[in-house]
Amino acid sequence: DTEVTQTPKHLVMGMTNKKSLKCEQHMGHRAMYWYKQKAKKPPELMFVYSYEKLSINESVPSRFSPECPNSSLLNLHLHALQPEDSALYLCASSQDGKGGQPQHFGDGTRLSIL
Amino acid sequence: AQSVTQLGSHVSVSEGALVLLRCNYSSSVPPYLFWYVQYPNQGLQLLLKYTSAATLVKGINGFEAEFKKSETSFHLTKPSAHMSDAAEYFCAVTEGSGGSYIPTFGRGTSLIVHP
Repeated sequence: DTEVTQTPKHLVMGMTNKKSLKCEQHMGHRAMYWYKQKAKKPPELMFVYSYEKLSINESVPSRFSPECPNSSLLNLHLHALQPEDSALYLCASSQDGKGGQPQHFGDGTRLSIL
Repeated sequence: AQSVTQLGSHVSVSEGALVLLRCNYSSSVPPYLFWYVQYPNQGLQLLLKYTSAATLVKGINGFEAEFKKSETSFHLTKPSAHMSDAAEYFCAVTEGSGGSYIPTFGRGTSLIVHP
Protein backbone atom coordinates (compact mmCIF):
# COMPACT_ATOMS: atom_id res chain seq x y z
CA ASP A 1 0.00 0.00 0.00
CA THR A 2 1.32 3.40 -0.94
CA GLU A 3 1.33 6.15 1.66
CA VAL A 4 0.58 8.79 -0.96
CA THR A 5 -2.95 8.49 -2.31
CA GLN A 6 -3.92 9.88 -5.70
CA THR A 7 -7.41 10.18 -7.12
CA PRO A 8 -8.78 9.46 -9.59
CA LYS A 9 -6.71 6.54 -10.92
CA HIS A 10 -7.91 7.15 -14.47
CA LEU A 11 -9.32 10.26 -16.12
CA VAL A 12 -10.54 10.81 -19.64
CA MET A 13 -11.40 14.36 -20.58
CA GLY A 14 -12.06 16.49 -23.61
CA MET A 15 -9.93 19.46 -24.52
CA THR A 16 -12.54 21.92 -23.24
CA ASN A 17 -13.16 20.27 -19.87
CA LYS A 18 -12.01 21.36 -16.43
CA LYS A 19 -10.97 18.68 -13.99
CA SER A 20 -8.76 18.30 -10.94
CA LEU A 21 -6.29 15.68 -9.72
CA LYS A 22 -5.97 15.13 -6.00
CA CYS A 23 -3.05 13.91 -3.88
CA GLU A 24 -3.04 13.23 -0.15
CA GLN A 25 -0.36 12.15 2.34
CA HIS A 26 -0.47 11.77 6.10
CA MET A 27 3.22 11.21 6.79
CA GLY A 28 3.76 14.79 7.98
CA HIS A 29 5.87 15.58 4.93
CA ARG A 30 6.30 19.24 4.10
CA ALA A 31 7.54 18.96 0.51
CA MET A 32 5.19 17.79 -2.25
CA TYR A 33 5.77 17.37 -5.96
CA TRP A 34 3.88 16.90 -9.21
CA TYR A 35 5.51 14.93 -12.00
CA LYS A 36 4.44 14.05 -15.53
CA GLN A 37 5.54 10.69 -16.90
CA LYS A 38 5.28 9.44 -20.46
CA ALA A 39 5.52 5.72 -21.21
CA LYS A 40 9.00 4.23 -20.75
CA LYS A 41 10.42 7.63 -19.70
CA PRO A 42 11.56 8.99 -16.33
CA PRO A 43 9.27 11.35 -14.41
CA GLU A 44 9.51 15.02 -15.43
CA LEU A 45 9.20 17.52 -12.61
CA MET A 46 6.35 20.02 -12.93
CA PHE A 47 5.90 21.73 -9.54
CA VAL A 48 7.34 21.67 -6.03
CA TYR A 49 5.61 22.89 -2.89
CA SER A 50 7.64 23.47 0.24
CA TYR A 51 5.74 24.21 3.45
CA GLU A 52 2.61 24.84 1.39
CA LYS A 53 4.30 27.48 -0.79
CA LEU A 54 5.08 26.99 -4.46
CA SER A 55 8.87 26.89 -4.68
CA ILE A 56 9.48 25.51 -8.17
CA ASN A 57 7.48 25.78 -11.39
CA GLU A 58 9.34 24.11 -14.24
CA SER A 59 7.89 26.42 -16.92
CA VAL A 60 4.68 24.42 -17.02
CA PRO A 61 1.90 25.78 -19.29
CA SER A 62 -0.79 27.75 -17.48
CA ARG A 63 -3.42 25.14 -18.38
CA PHE A 64 -1.96 23.26 -15.38
CA SER A 65 -2.63 25.04 -12.09
CA PRO A 66 -1.35 23.58 -8.81
CA GLU A 67 -2.81 24.22 -5.39
CA CYS A 68 -1.73 23.21 -1.90
CA PRO A 69 -4.68 23.84 0.47
CA ASN A 70 -2.86 22.39 3.50
CA SER A 71 0.18 20.33 4.40
CA SER A 72 -1.52 17.04 3.54
CA LEU A 73 -3.21 17.90 0.26
CA LEU A 74 -2.01 18.78 -3.21
CA ASN A 75 -4.27 19.44 -6.17
CA LEU A 76 -3.59 19.89 -9.86
CA HIS A 77 -6.29 21.78 -11.71
CA LEU A 78 -6.56 21.07 -15.43
CA HIS A 79 -8.18 23.25 -18.10
CA ALA A 80 -8.11 23.24 -21.89
CA LEU A 81 -5.56 20.47 -22.12
CA GLN A 82 -3.98 19.25 -25.36
CA PRO A 83 -3.66 15.65 -26.61
CA GLU A 84 0.08 15.75 -25.84
CA ASP A 85 -0.82 16.20 -22.16
CA SER A 86 -1.97 12.58 -22.03
CA ALA A 87 0.36 10.90 -19.54
CA LEU A 88 0.68 9.44 -16.05
CA TYR A 89 0.67 12.21 -13.45
CA LEU A 90 2.54 11.31 -10.30
CA CYS A 91 2.45 13.01 -6.94
CA ALA A 92 5.31 12.58 -4.48
CA SER A 93 6.26 13.83 -1.04
CA SER A 94 9.42 14.03 1.05
CA GLN A 95 10.12 15.01 4.65
CA ASP A 96 11.02 18.64 4.01
CA GLY A 97 12.71 18.62 0.63
CA LYS A 98 16.33 18.52 1.78
CA GLY A 99 18.86 16.51 -0.18
CA GLY A 100 19.21 12.91 0.83
CA GLN A 101 15.54 12.42 1.53
CA PRO A 102 13.80 9.84 -0.61
CA GLN A 103 10.56 10.69 -2.32
CA HIS A 104 7.38 8.72 -1.65
CA PHE A 105 5.26 8.36 -4.77
CA GLY A 106 1.58 7.72 -5.30
CA ASP A 107 0.41 5.33 -8.00
CA GLY A 108 -0.54 8.18 -10.27
CA THR A 109 -3.48 9.33 -12.32
CA ARG A 110 -3.50 8.11 -15.91
CA LEU A 111 -4.86 11.00 -17.95
CA SER A 112 -6.18 10.68 -21.50
CA ILE A 113 -7.13 13.77 -23.50
CA LEU A 114 -9.59 13.19 -26.34
CA ALA B 1 25.06 20.46 -12.05
CA GLN B 2 24.09 16.84 -11.57
CA SER B 3 23.33 14.11 -14.08
CA VAL B 4 22.73 10.38 -14.22
CA THR B 5 23.50 7.89 -16.96
CA GLN B 6 21.91 4.46 -17.00
CA LEU B 7 23.63 2.19 -19.49
CA GLY B 8 21.23 -0.06 -21.34
CA SER B 9 17.56 0.76 -21.76
CA HIS B 10 16.79 -2.97 -21.50
CA VAL B 11 18.48 -5.75 -19.55
CA SER B 12 17.38 -9.34 -20.06
CA VAL B 13 18.26 -12.15 -17.64
CA SER B 14 17.11 -15.68 -16.90
CA GLU B 15 15.35 -16.48 -13.65
CA GLY B 16 18.00 -17.27 -11.04
CA ALA B 17 20.75 -15.34 -12.83
CA LEU B 18 22.65 -12.33 -11.52
CA VAL B 19 21.04 -8.95 -12.09
CA LEU B 20 23.33 -5.96 -12.79
CA LEU B 21 21.87 -2.57 -13.65
CA ARG B 22 24.39 0.19 -14.27
CA CYS B 23 24.25 3.78 -13.08
CA ASN B 24 26.93 6.47 -13.39
CA TYR B 25 26.47 9.93 -11.97
CA SER B 26 27.97 13.38 -12.24
CA SER B 27 27.78 15.85 -9.38
CA SER B 28 29.73 18.95 -8.39
CA VAL B 29 29.25 18.18 -4.68
CA PRO B 30 29.00 14.89 -2.74
CA PRO B 31 25.88 13.18 -4.02
CA TYR B 32 22.96 11.34 -2.54
CA LEU B 33 21.99 8.41 -4.77
CA PHE B 34 18.80 6.41 -5.05
CA TRP B 35 17.39 3.46 -6.92
CA TYR B 36 13.65 3.33 -7.52
CA VAL B 37 11.56 0.55 -9.07
CA GLN B 38 8.34 1.05 -10.99
CA TYR B 39 6.00 -1.86 -11.62
CA PRO B 40 3.31 -1.56 -14.33
CA ASN B 41 0.50 0.81 -13.42
CA GLN B 42 2.22 1.90 -10.22
CA GLY B 43 4.28 4.80 -8.97
CA LEU B 44 7.98 4.68 -8.14
CA GLN B 45 9.04 2.79 -5.01
CA LEU B 46 12.34 3.32 -3.22
CA LEU B 47 14.65 0.29 -3.40
CA LEU B 48 17.64 1.77 -1.59
CA LYS B 49 19.59 4.97 -1.03
CA TYR B 50 23.18 6.09 -0.44
CA THR B 51 23.62 9.07 1.88
CA SER B 52 27.36 8.99 2.68
CA ALA B 53 27.32 6.26 5.30
CA ALA B 54 28.32 2.73 4.23
CA THR B 55 29.32 2.46 0.57
CA LEU B 56 27.57 -0.92 0.21
CA VAL B 57 23.87 -0.34 0.60
CA LYS B 58 21.31 -3.07 1.07
CA GLY B 59 17.75 -2.50 -0.02
CA ILE B 60 14.45 -4.27 -0.26
CA ASN B 61 13.72 -7.43 -2.24
CA GLY B 62 17.35 -8.63 -2.04
CA PHE B 63 18.85 -5.76 -4.02
CA GLU B 64 22.04 -3.95 -3.10
CA ALA B 65 24.22 -1.26 -4.62
CA GLU B 66 27.79 -0.13 -4.10
CA PHE B 67 28.89 3.51 -4.21
CA LYS B 68 32.26 3.84 -5.94
CA LYS B 69 33.47 7.42 -5.88
CA SER B 70 36.52 6.74 -8.07
CA GLU B 71 34.27 5.34 -10.80
CA THR B 72 31.33 7.71 -10.13
CA SER B 73 29.12 4.63 -10.16
CA PHE B 74 26.23 3.24 -8.15
CA HIS B 75 25.37 -0.06 -9.86
CA LEU B 76 22.41 -2.13 -8.65
CA THR B 77 22.78 -5.89 -8.20
CA LYS B 78 20.79 -8.89 -7.09
CA PRO B 79 22.36 -12.38 -6.90
CA SER B 80 19.37 -14.28 -8.24
CA ALA B 81 16.62 -12.81 -10.40
CA HIS B 82 12.98 -13.64 -9.77
CA MET B 83 10.14 -13.28 -12.23
CA SER B 84 8.60 -10.67 -9.94
CA ASP B 85 11.67 -8.42 -10.43
CA ALA B 86 10.54 -7.57 -13.97
CA ALA B 87 9.97 -3.81 -13.86
CA GLU B 88 11.44 -0.42 -14.79
CA TYR B 89 14.35 0.73 -12.64
CA PHE B 90 15.42 4.35 -12.21
CA CYS B 91 18.63 5.67 -10.71
CA ALA B 92 18.43 9.19 -9.26
CA VAL B 93 20.84 11.72 -7.75
CA THR B 94 20.44 14.73 -5.52
CA GLU B 95 23.21 16.90 -4.17
CA GLY B 96 24.24 17.57 -0.60
CA SER B 97 26.06 20.56 0.86
CA GLY B 98 23.65 23.16 -0.49
CA GLY B 99 23.35 21.69 -3.95
CA SER B 100 20.10 20.89 -5.74
CA TYR B 101 17.74 18.80 -3.63
CA ILE B 102 15.54 18.06 -6.64
CA PRO B 103 16.35 14.58 -7.92
CA THR B 104 17.67 14.06 -11.40
CA PHE B 105 16.49 10.72 -12.78
CA GLY B 106 18.24 8.47 -15.24
CA ARG B 107 16.32 7.40 -18.35
CA GLY B 108 15.44 4.07 -16.77
CA THR B 109 16.32 0.44 -17.43
CA SER B 110 13.66 -2.13 -18.16
CA LEU B 111 14.51 -5.46 -16.53
CA ILE B 112 13.15 -8.50 -18.37
CA VAL B 113 13.27 -11.87 -16.60
CA HIS B 114 12.93 -15.05 -18.64
CA PRO B 115 11.73 -18.32 -17.08
